[in-house]
Amino acid sequence: GAVVSQHPSRVICKSGTSVKIECRSLDFQATTMFWYRQFPKQSLMLMATSNEGSKATYEQGVEKDKFLINHASLTLSTLTVTSAHPEDSSFYICSAATETNYGYTFGSGTRLTVV
Amino acid sequence: AQSVTQPDIHITVSEGASLELRCNYSYGATPYLFWYVQSPGQGLQLLLKYFSGDTLVQGIKGFEAEFKRSQSSFNLRKPSVHWSDAAEYFCAVAQEAASKLTFGTGTRLQVTL
Repeated sequence: GAVVSQHPSRVICKSGTSVKIECRSLDFQATTMFWYRQFPKQSLMLMATSNEGSKATYEQGVEKDKFLINHASLTLSTLTVTSAHPEDSSFYICSAATETNYGYTFGSGTRLTVV
Repeated sequence: AQSVTQPDIHITVSEGASLELRCNYSYGATPYLFWYVQSPGQGLQLLLKYFSGDTLVQGIKGFEAEFKRSQSSFNLRKPSVHWSDAAEYFCAVAQEAASKLTFGTGTRLQVTL
């Protein structure tokens, strides 16, 4: 079945530094990639939607200059948290979608801790 | 705008008992509906999905869900719960294929032995 590889699974960084999270669709081409943020014991909140070769669409309240999303190919999307601060600590999950299977495949998530 | 409600935040059932997790959605047309399961610190695994056809959908791990348009519901069921089913369950809705998913707040399932 469809697999999305997300890494790193865990990352600890110092406040003020930037962190890049990668998501790759391994055996299919993703029309669209979604990035979610999940706080402990809460639901997934959509941050942005990206399509290959175009700018990402950010949800209201999400700082696009802080959360940089690049979707350079149909199999790779990256989320860069710039100038990270402790409040950015969270669980970030990507999801890839294709119109052909009416489904979404999720990465295993990245636990970001900013110290 | 689409929305999803999962009325039950936390449910506890005994192993072997039946399970029903409730999900109500708000969307004008026929939505694309999904149930996902998440173990702690993990990503999401798709249990089942519905977008057309038979309103009773069979999924993995013995789960099924029924789409009821009149009630705007898509409840998840399992006839006999196993201890390994303990996890967080999310209902989600999309307006069309590959469009953004909106998640419910989730239901945490605890299974007692």
